[in-house]
Amino acid sequence: QSALTQPASVSGSPGQSITISCSATSSAVGDYNYVSWYQQHPGKAPKLIIYDFINRPSNRPSGVPDRFSASKSGNTASLTISGLQAEDEAAYYCSSYTDGSTPVFGTGTKVTVL
Amino acid sequence: QLQLQESGPGLVRPSETLSLTCSVSGGSISSSNYYWAWIRQPPGKGLEWIGSIYYSGNTYYSPSLKSRVTISVDTSKNQFSLKISSVTAADTAVYYCARPLRSTAAQGYDSWGQGTLVTVSS
Repeated sequence: QSALTQPASVSGSPGQSITISCSATSSAVGDYNYVSWYQQHPGKAPKLIIYDFINRPSNRPSGVPDRFSASKSGNTASLTISGLQAEDEAAYYCSSYTDGSTPVFGTGTKVTVL
Repeated sequence: QLQLQESGPGLVRPSETLSLTCSVSGGSISSSNYYWAWIRQPPGKGLEWIGSIYYSGNTYYSPSLKSRVTISVDTSKNQFSLKISSVTAADTAVYYCARPLRSTAAQGYDSWGQGTLVTVSS
């Protein structure tokens, strides 16, 4: 099963916006019915921050700020963090799923707040 | 509030079987319409989905691990379990149990255990 490729690291200053890409290696992201994003702080379990945004724009679980948004263009999905804050420094993972298949996670991106 | 807690040995010898249990509280496995999952993360690396199980026992496994993985459920104890046979150092990871936001993995996993580190070493 193909992996999803993310940049190893992305950085930005407080208040700026950053975007993390998620690209399928051997099949189109467009083939996946559902894409989600997770945030993971060191030593903690991942936290779901965006889900199923293919079908509905930027679904966020309760409590996740609207600074987090997602989009898709062709074979690439993206997570944008607007108004970057210190607590946003973490690792971020995309994940995709197709009915009848099994979930796949991205390689992960370390976000550094300068 | 739903809580998941992984338990099991922290050290497993190479070629042996890794066994973990996820205890669920604040909700019943058998009365809910979810596929409960195991996900792992090698130290310093990314997440890997291992497999999932429905309360009826229906399972899905990662193609790359399918030959070595068994996931089972014990509704009387409100637990589900993971076994990985013939482990090697590559199976060293933090193992998480998780529940999806909706029934399947489609909308992602919003409830996670704290994770447990399993080291494969002689």
